[in-house]
Amino acid sequence: ETGVTQTPRHLVMGMTNKKSLKCEQHLGHNAMYWYKQSAKKPLELMFVYNFKEQTENNSVPSRFSPECPNSSHLFLHLHTLQPEDSALYLCASSQEIGVSGGAEQYFGPGTRLTVT
Amino acid sequence: GQNIDQPTEMTATEGAIVQINCTYQTSGFNGLFWYQQHAGEAPTFLSYNVLDGLEEKGRFSSFLSRSKGYSYLLLKELQMKDSASYLCAVTRSQGNLIFGKGTKLSVKP
Repeated sequence: ETGVTQTPRHLVMGMTNKKSLKCEQHLGHNAMYWYKQSAKKPLELMFVYNFKEQTENNSVPSRFSPECPNSSHLFLHLHTLQPEDSALYLCASSQEIGVSGGAEQYFGPGTRLTVT
Repeated sequence: GQNIDQPTEMTATEGAIVQINCTYQTSGFNGLFWYQQHAGEAPTFLSYNVLDGLEEKGRFSSFLSRSKGYSYLLLKELQMKDSASYLCAVTRSQGNLIFGKGTKLSVKP
């Protein structure tokens, strides 16, 4: 257990569905991240939130919509996804960005998403 | 641009020593992380190097040369449970991590 939880752990959805991924951290961190991990590819940073403010959107398609209501919770809203969006989606948290560039990130177990 | 290279796969024998290399090219380099990721699980922190030199932590050690853009992770007394992917990640002044593709290590009896 890393102190970061994600639900659901597995999700199968059709291309016309709308679903949301949830991440919660119990570490008192102020920065949260969404990553996408596809087979044979490096972890891809999608979004970064620091003190609830989005600080980075790494050219992610608008069919992925993040939400950070507070420093402990992070959501990823999904709609009209494509089969190539099937991947492991990982959430991570760390101390706030900017104070220390080397803040260790703690990862959740991920949500295995399959788009049919 | 940014580029992180590490071997795709490595195989080693239980009880042996293995060295996983990572080379990087990035602007605003701050430090380098190594993470371990077992299949189907989240990456977990192994080490963080900011200064040149070797950091030792039990069976695992990590080395950094900032001038050469080079790091390695050294695993001693390999155990079967060390079979996993090892991810090299660079952190920049903005604080975000950029990951390499990972090295899948298979430890055989």
